[in-house]
Amino acid sequence: EVQLVESGGGLVQPGGSLRLSCAASGFSFMSYSMNWVRQAPGKGLEWVSYISSSGDTIYYADSVKGRFTISRDNAKNSLSLQMNSLTDEDTAMYYCARLVNTTLTSDYWGQGTLVTVSS
Amino acid sequence: EIVMTQSPATLSVSPGERATLSCRASQSVGSNLAWYQQKPGQAPRLLISGASTRATGIPTRFTGSGSGTEFTLTISSLQSEDFAVYYCHQYHKWPRTFGQGTKLEIK
Repeated sequence: EVQLVESGGGLVQPGGSLRLSCAASGFSFMSYSMNWVRQAPGKGLEWVSYISSSGDTIYYADSVKGRFTISRDNAKNSLSLQMNSLTDEDTAMYYCARLVNTTLTSDYWGQGTLVTVSS
Repeated sequence: EIVMTQSPATLSVSPGERATLSCRASQSVGSNLAWYQQKPGQAPRLLISGASTRATGIPTRFTGSGSGTEFTLTISSLQSEDFAVYYCHQYHKWPRTFGQGTKLEIK
C-alpha cells in the first residue's frame, strides 16, 4: 500500500524556519517525481515545488522561490522541504504527493502537516 | 502563469441528479488537465487526468471532457459521497496551477 506521511509542521514565528519531511513507503520511491502542495486554511490548493525522481530537476512557485528548498534522499525514501524566512502567508497545510510518471499528476497524497506562522 | 478559473463557485444539486462543473484556462493546456475531489479534513483525490481519463477506482459516473482552454467535469446521478470541493489543475506548464475550486453541495 502506498503511504506518504508528512511531519515537521508546527507553530513558528515570522522570519523563522521549519523543515518538513515526507516518509514514503509501499512503492519504489526512487522511481517517482514528487510535489509539495499547500492549502491555506479555508482556501484552495497551491502548488509549491517539484523534484524529479533523481533530484536533478527542481521547480518552485514564485511565492516560495529563494526561501524554500526541496530535496530528497532516495536511500531513505524521504522527501524534504526546508522553509526559511517564513511569513504569515505561508500558513497552510502542506501535502507531499507522488506524481504519475506518464502524466505528472499527483495520484497519491499524504494527509498533510500544518504549518502556522504567527507571533 | 496559466490562470485556471472554475465556475460556479458553489453548485447546489439534489442527490440522483447530474452536476456539471466548468474549468477555463487562460491559455491552451492541451489535454494536460486533471480534476481532484477534496472532502473536509482529507487530502485531495485524483479523479481525472488527461482531461478525460478516470483514475484507478473512480466510478464511471465521473466524466471529464474538453481540451485547449475549456473543460467540464460531469457527475451523473450524484451520490451522497460526491458532495465535496472539486479542483481543476493544469500540468501543461510550470508553474502548475489549480482552479479556485467548486463546492458541490446538497440541494
